[in-house]
Amino acid sequence: IVLTQSPATLSVSPGERATLSCRASQSVSDNLAWYQQKLGQAPRLLIYSASTRATDIPARFSGSGSGTEFTLTISSLQSEDSATYYCHQYNDWPRTFGQGTQVEVK
Amino acid sequence: EVQLLESGGGLVQPGGSLRLSCAASGFTFSNYAMTWVRQVPGKGLEWVSGIFGGGGPTFHADSVKGRFTISRDNLKNILYLQMTSLRVEDTAIYYCGKGGDRQPGDPWGQGIQVIVSS
Repeated sequence: IVLTQSPATLSVSPGERATLSCRASQSVSDNLAWYQQKLGQAPRLLIYSASTRATDIPARFSGSGSGTEFTLTISSLQSEDSATYYCHQYNDWPRTFGQGTQVEVK
Repeated sequence: EVQLLESGGGLVQPGGSLRLSCAASGFTFSNYAMTWVRQVPGKGLEWVSGIFGGGGPTFHADSVKGRFTISRDNLKNILYLQMTSLRVEDTAIYYCGKGGDRQPGDPWGQGIQVIVSS
């Protein structure tokens, strides 16, 4: 399953909303996760089951969608949210990741 | 607290072999699937291999199928990735992660560098 993320890069001012998209080449039901990765660090799970926040993830992060269209929204961007965000499907083998969206906080 | 610690990385020549290990603690290891992913520096994440809690079945990405083998020792709480016929394009940071079947991998280890070069 190919996951296509858009946009490739996103530059947003602090306090504004960021909307990231992930499209799957075939249905993954709601078996879709979002990860945040900062430079030099391991990925951090933000969202699983398309819309469930992982433990200790701030409420400004939310996920939506099912089937083939998914969205990660950061409602009020903060400086520490500068990172690359990946979607990941765990519905079918082999598992796959999107190519990532780099978010820059202006 | 879940801890995952990778080891066994390093520099190897093309065509060579390497075995990565991932020592797990803080959870009942045999109850969970485990996963390997990798990342070429400056590039995106690539899923590599997965294994169910009991040791099977196992799954591999097409890019490594026939060359890499994932396995585990549930008595020692260690996950392995045996890598053979290594290629320059296998150069990456390799991460092990808890989970990967009905839930996504979480958390991940700190990663281990593998460099394939002559």
